[in-house]
Amino acid sequence: IVLTQSPGTLSLSPGERATVSCRASPVICPTCFAWYQQRPGQAPRLLIYDTSARATGIPDRFSGSGSGRDFTLTISRLEPEDFAVYYCQQYGTSPITFGQGTRLETK
Amino acid sequence: EVQVLESGGGLVQPGGSLRLSCTVSGVTFSDYAMSWVRQAPGKGLEWVSGISGSGKDTFDADSVKGRFTVSRDNSKNTLYLQMSSLRAEDTAVYYCAKLTAAIIFITPLDSWGQGTLVTVSS
Repeated sequence: IVLTQSPGTLSLSPGERATVSCRASPVICPTCFAWYQQRPGQAPRLLIYDTSARATGIPDRFSGSGSGRDFTLTISRLEPEDFAVYYCQQYGTSPITFGQGTRLETK
Repeated sequence: EVQVLESGGGLVQPGGSLRLSCTVSGVTFSDYAMSWVRQAPGKGLEWVSGISGSGKDTFDADSVKGRFTVSRDNSKNTLYLQMSSLRAEDTAVYYCAKLTAAIIFITPLDSWGQGTLVTVSS
């Protein structure tokens, strides 16, 4: 399953809203999608799983949605620590695949 | 609190072998499937291998099939990745990650180690 993320880079300011998209082709398990955050020099961290469920300890400014082939990560109001790289992932079938990543940078 | 700690990375020549280890604490290890995910320098995430909680089921990415073997010792709370016939393109940080159930698929990766760097070069 190929996951195509967009945009590749997103330039925003703290306080703004961020939207990252992920398109899957094909879709085997419609709810088996997750989003991860990776800060420089750190391991990835699970943010969203099962398309829209927040992982433990994740602030409610992070939300996930999706249907069909299209999935979205939204950060409602950006905090300084949110500037990082974000990856979508499908875990419904082998091989597990990740999107190519979206870099969220400070404008 | 779950803790995941990888070890065993290093510099190896092309064609060589290396074994990575990953110890997990804070949970009943055999209740959870585990995966290896790698990240080449400056690149994105690539899933490498997965193993069920019992160790009976394993899956590998095509890029490593026949060269890498994932295994686990539930009595030692340890996951392994035996890598052979290593190539320059295997150079990456290798992360060990815990899934949220005993099966490899339909569950996300909820706890990750800090990674161990494998460099394949002569």
